Amino acid sequence: GQQVMQIPQYQHVQEGEDFTTYCNSSTTLSNIQWYKQRPGGHPVFLIQLVKSGEVKKQKRLTFQFGEAKKNSSLHITATQTTDVGTYFCAMVSGTYKYIFGTGTRLKVLA
Amino acid sequence: DGGITQSPKYLFRKEGQNVTLSCEQNLNHDAMYWYRQDPGQGLRLIYYSQIVNDFQKGDIAEGYSVSREKKESFPLTVTSAQKNPTAFYLCASKGPRTIYFGEGSWLTVV
Repeated sequence: GQQVMQIPQYQHVQEGEDFTTYCNSSTTLSNIQWYKQRPGGHPVFLIQLVKSGEVKKQKRLTFQFGEAKKNSSLHITATQTTDVGTYFCAMVSGTYKYIFGTGTRLKVLA
Repeated sequence: DGGITQSPKYLFRKEGQNVTLSCEQNLNHDAMYWYRQDPGQGLRLIYYSQIVNDFQKGDIAEGYSVSREKKESFPLTVTSAQKNPTAFYLCASKGPRTIYFGEGSWLTVV
């Protein structure tokens, strides 16, 4: 079935360093969504990308959708301890089937 | 408050027993989902339901069953056929743009 792979699986950074997670699909995506799950919590929606080559920013977070709509990235500038958590990308197959990536767990060292 | 309520938050099951996890939403959403998350792992889709009295298997449906008799409710039964049920279970429902998750239920087999 359709799969979405994320790399890296884990990332430890020093506070103030940048962080990037990548999401790759074997098929062309209609759109892609990003979620954040804090430790012990549940995933929370961050953003949706729809257009080829689209770039969106939320404060220190930059989201990008690849030109071929098969990959996406999330970049955090100058990480803070509040950025700790697991970041997931998600694709929608059809209208209702949401398939999540494997996630990247970010740890920020103060 | 509007949202998704999962219960119980923590559940212990003896081997060979069936258990049912409750999921209720008051968001008036048609589609609902069950995901399983193992420690340090991604989200895997168990079942989803687009509408009342209809549901589809996800990627790991074996050993699980669901029902959707009411729009608000989507209970998940973990049967004795599920060989390794210890995990974090997340229920979700689909809004216009994204899906919303409940707080999750931790199931441990003892």
